[in-house]
Amino acid sequence: NAGVMQNPRHLVRRRGQEARLRCSPMKGHSHVYWYRQLPEEGLKFMVYLQKENIIDESGMPKERFSAEFPKEGPSILRIQQVVRGDSAAYFCASSTNSGRSGADTQYFGPGTRLTVL
Amino acid sequence: DAKTTQPNSMESNEEEPVHLPCNHSTISGTDYIHWYRQLPSQGPEYVIHGLTSNVNNRMASLAIAEDRKSSTLILHRATLRDAAVYYCILRDRGSTLGRLYFGRGTQLTVWP
Repeated sequence: NAGVMQNPRHLVRRRGQEARLRCSPMKGHSHVYWYRQLPEEGLKFMVYLQKENIIDESGMPKERFSAEFPKEGPSILRIQQVVRGDSAAYFCASSTNSGRSGADTQYFGPGTRLTVL
Repeated sequence: DAKTTQPNSMESNEEEPVHLPCNHSTISGTDYIHWYRQLPSQGPEYVIHGLTSNVNNRMASLAIAEDRKSSTLILHRATLRDAAVYYCILRDRGSTLGRLYFGRGTQLTVWP
């Protein structure tokens, strides 16, 4: 059973360009989470999605960032007009349920390391 | 999310046991205790979780205090590959929405 897959693993963009990060959850998982880890900082929750729905985007910056998880295909985290402060590692995780039981496990991908020049 | 407190760093020698403490004095009765770790340049990895009873799996053991205000992750024989940041996280059953709150964690250094 393949794990969570993210691509690209490394992405370099110039200021003002768009960055698209992709995440394919584990087979059978319909819940996807995105986290960001800024250099020398901890992981911060960004957004939680189920198929075709955004459930919680309270950790997402209000501008330039968007996320989707379509019925078919991977989840996409999109950053428009990137700035140097967006340089970070972006991790995707998936789970089989919403976590309401408190006992569910999230499985993380290897991350996409975004560098903005 | 209920708060946890962990030491910033710990050290161990290879093949020795490691006890990583976590304080969670404000834990509620419905909070599960989860541990994740993050190896250098990798995504976080689930280690173990428990509610009230001690738990064992192939990676580690979780010892939970009787009052549940603290817990200890036990690596029975540390290897170099166990060098990572270890995060103690509380998950509230029935609360929102799935997110994990990662604090600073404990940086574990393992010496050969």
